[in-house]
Amino acid sequence: DIQMTQSPSTLSASVGDRVTIACRASQSISTWLAWYQQKPGKAPKLLIYKAFSLESGVPSRFSGSGSGTEFTLTISSLQPDDFAAYYCHQYHTYPHTFGQGTKLEIK
Amino acid sequence: QVQLQESGPGLVKPSETLSLTCSVSGDSVSTGLYFWSWMRQPPGKGLEWIGHISHTGTTKYSPFLASRVTMSVDTSTNQLSLNLNSVSAADTAVYYCARTPRFGLLPTDYWGQGTLVTVSS
Repeated sequence: DIQMTQSPSTLSASVGDRVTIACRASQSISTWLAWYQQKPGKAPKLLIYKAFSLESGVPSRFSGSGSGTEFTLTISSLQPDDFAAYYCHQYHTYPHTFGQGTKLEIK
Repeated sequence: QVQLQESGPGLVKPSETLSLTCSVSGDSVSTGLYFWSWMRQPPGKGLEWIGHISHTGTTKYSPFLASRVTMSVDTSTNQLSLNLNSVSAADTAVYYCARTPRFGLLPTDYWGQGTLVTVSS
């Protein structure tokens, strides 16, 4: 199975900060990588697909980059609504797998 | 816009079978454009892919669960089903059904709200 490792596990930041979350795959997944945002008690919401494509309706302050085994999610200027958990997800190889998550907290 | 809604017992006894239904509206499970997926999330933990099923009933399961899981699709009622047998406390989780495009290098896009299933005697 392809292991997805996110860092950091927890990130404390302030409104207006630029933050980056990293995701590493245990083997190459090309750009078959998605990012989801999840708020407590809610289903995950798709933010980024194909490593860098922004899902319709998602604010442009979210961006993704990377290919192969190294990926990043960047939020250019944190807004109050962005404090949530974020998961990377590879859909290149079965079984599809998720990172363990990054909790973005208010500093 | 597609909507998915999971339903089923919130409490299942150990060694018994967990059975969930997912009602799909705004789209047809008969379309060949999507896989219909199941994921789960133990309380306070991360997401786990269980597997998916096509409109023809072709399935792909996680190898960790393949020996215990069965998925089906009912085109007459536009519903999906998930059965997981021989459950234990480790199967306690919020279970989600979701839609996954089959083409275009696209990931799972729409999710149900999820339903919590607790395994306990």
